[in-house]
Amino acid sequence: QQQVKQSPQSLIVQKGGISIINCAYENTAFDYFPWYQQFPGKGPALLIAIRPDVSEKKEGRFTISFNKSAKQFSLHIMDSQPGDSATYFCAGVVYNQGGKLIFGQGTELSVKP
Amino acid sequence: DAGITQSPRHKVTETGTPVTLRCHQTENHRYMYWYRQDPGHGLRLIHYSYGVKDTDKGEVSDGYSVSRSKTEDFLLTLESATSSQTSVYFCAISQTGSEGGYTFGSGTRLTVV
Repeated sequence: QQQVKQSPQSLIVQKGGISIINCAYENTAFDYFPWYQQFPGKGPALLIAIRPDVSEKKEGRFTISFNKSAKQFSLHIMDSQPGDSATYFCAGVVYNQGGKLIFGQGTELSVKP
Repeated sequence: DAGITQSPRHKVTETGTPVTLRCHQTENHRYMYWYRQDPGHGLRLIHYSYGVKDTDKGEVSDGYSVSRSKTEDFLLTLESATSSQTSVYFCAISQTGSEGGYTFGSGTRLTVV
């Protein structure tokens, strides 16, 4: 069974700092790796995604770094803001299995002003 | 969330009673999914559908059944609710091969007493 493991479980960062969340996956069946952001009382929403043939993807303050050989990827949030306080999930997607999203356990990020 | 609605938003039910949650989409997407969200576990896939009357199990399907008689509706049924099924349930929709193209509903908070 495909699994995605995420750390840390919670993270506190000062405003303007860099938030880093790490994920590791256990097999190579995933077709791409999205990150989702979830605010309290809401469903997850796509933040940024990367394919396994790309080592880095940047969108604004958010960057995914991908290490295929180590089966690891991470989310970096530059210049973290209090509005970034949310729960973040990494995930893997397998197209030939109904496009299932397999999520990591989640990281609760708190950005202090 | 645009294009996808879940009902009810909140429900309290007694152990042993049947419960049905509804997911309705207006996007005509082929794929629909039911997830449950619990602290420390992230979101775990219960069942998914890849077309009308075509469904398959996810990683935590025991105690749950689903039905999809129309493209727009995907029902999740707890045949005999147990306290371990107290959770927040999310429905999601996606198009084939759409990177990150998963839209989540706002969730149903179910409490089994």
